[in-house]
Order: sequence, then structure tokens, then C-alpha cells
Amino acid sequence: GESVGLHLPTLSVQEGDNSIINCAYSNSASDYFIWYKQESGKGPQFIIDIRSNMDKRQGQRVTVLLNKTVKHLSLQIAATQPGDSAVYFCAEIVSGGYQKVTFGTGTKLQVIP
Amino acid sequence: DAGVIQSPRHEVTEMGQEVTLRCKPISGHDYLFWYRQTMMRGLELLIYFNNNVPIDDSGMPEDRFSAKMPNASFSTLKIQPSEPRDSAVYFCASSLIVVAGGYNEQFFGPGTRLTVL
Repeated sequence: GESVGLHLPTLSVQEGDNSIINCAYSNSASDYFIWYKQESGKGPQFIIDIRSNMDKRQGQRVTVLLNKTVKHLSLQIAATQPGDSAVYFCAEIVSGGYQKVTFGTGTKLQVIP
Repeated sequence: DAGVIQSPRHEVTEMGQEVTLRCKPISGHDYLFWYRQTMMRGLELLIYFNNNVPIDDSGMPEDRFSAKMPNASFSTLKIQPSEPRDSAVYFCASSLIVVAGGYNEQFFGPGTRLTVL
């Protein structure tokens, strides 16, 4: 079946550096892509999303890039801070009456002070 | 709003026992989702409700799992009898109504960590 996967299970980054988390997806029918952040002991928290007709979207310190040609999604975090340490999930949605969300397996981001 | 509330936060039980997990969605949200998270399988959707009605339960593992939503502010996920392989973190999430061609952000609760011995 369709699935969303991540290339890197763990990413260690020095505080202040930029982080890039990658994700591959396989469902070309997906309309939206979302990045979630999950801190230890908490549920996933929405960070940023991007619609399939866009290739870039920026938020506060975060940028999501979408490359539909190779079915690749990335999350860039600028000036990574210790509070960014968490597991990051990409997810895809086929919109409509039922917003079925398919989550990737997650990448753990470790920020080194 | 306090967000999505789940209880208990941790549950340890013995194999064969009945387990009931509880969820209070965000007031005004029309959709409620139950997810299970394990290291092996990641986040899996078990079932979701729209206006208290179960819409899709295809993710429910087997008949031992059941979910109800008696009103707009309360839902339960029950496992009877529980087995060690049910050990996982169970999340409840809620969202507003979905607009045509769009989606609405799902807000997750803190989860219930279930351990079946």
C-alpha cells in the first residue's frame, strides 16, 4: 500500500546550526503534507504544512520544501535550539470527506549544546 | 481550552484484563481519532468518529478492540481481553470539520502509555 517513510532515523546537530530532515512519500494523490514535532511524553504537534501545488513554504524558523518529481519532502530548521530536540514526523493527507493521514516513521533530532 | 484530554496517562495491567482508555476532545471539534504508536509500526490510525458516529474502524486490530463515543465530549477505547502485544502509546486527536478539498489540523492529546504484562 501507499506509505510515507524517512531516510534518517537520527540526526545530531550543533546548537545554532541549521537542521534538515528528509522524508520520502509514495502516494502521488496526496494533497497536503504536514510536519509534526513530538517531544518526549507528548503527542505530535503540528509544525507546518504545504499543499501539493506548492514547492516551498516558510514559517517561523522552519521551511518545508516539496519536490513532487522525486516525491520528496524536507523540513529545514534554522538556528536549531535545544528546544527543537524531538522526533519529527512527516505525514501526508488525501483531502476530501475523510482526511486520512498517513504518518512516516519519524526522525529523532538531537541538538548538541 | 485545555486541549485534548486523555486518561489515564499510564496503565499497567495483566494479560487478559480489560483496559479502558478515555478521551475528551477539544470542545466544538467534529472529528475524533484514536491512534496507536509503537516503535515497530509508528503511528497507526485505529478508528475515527464524525459527530459521534464511527466512520472508519478498518484500523482496529481485531475484535478485542472497541471504541465508543456516547457524546461530543467523550470517547472510550476498550481492549478486552488485553494481550502483551497491545502494549503501546494510544493517542486521541480531534479536529474541526473538514472543508471541501482541504483538511483541518488534528490536535493530539498527551497519550496513554499502556503496558500489558
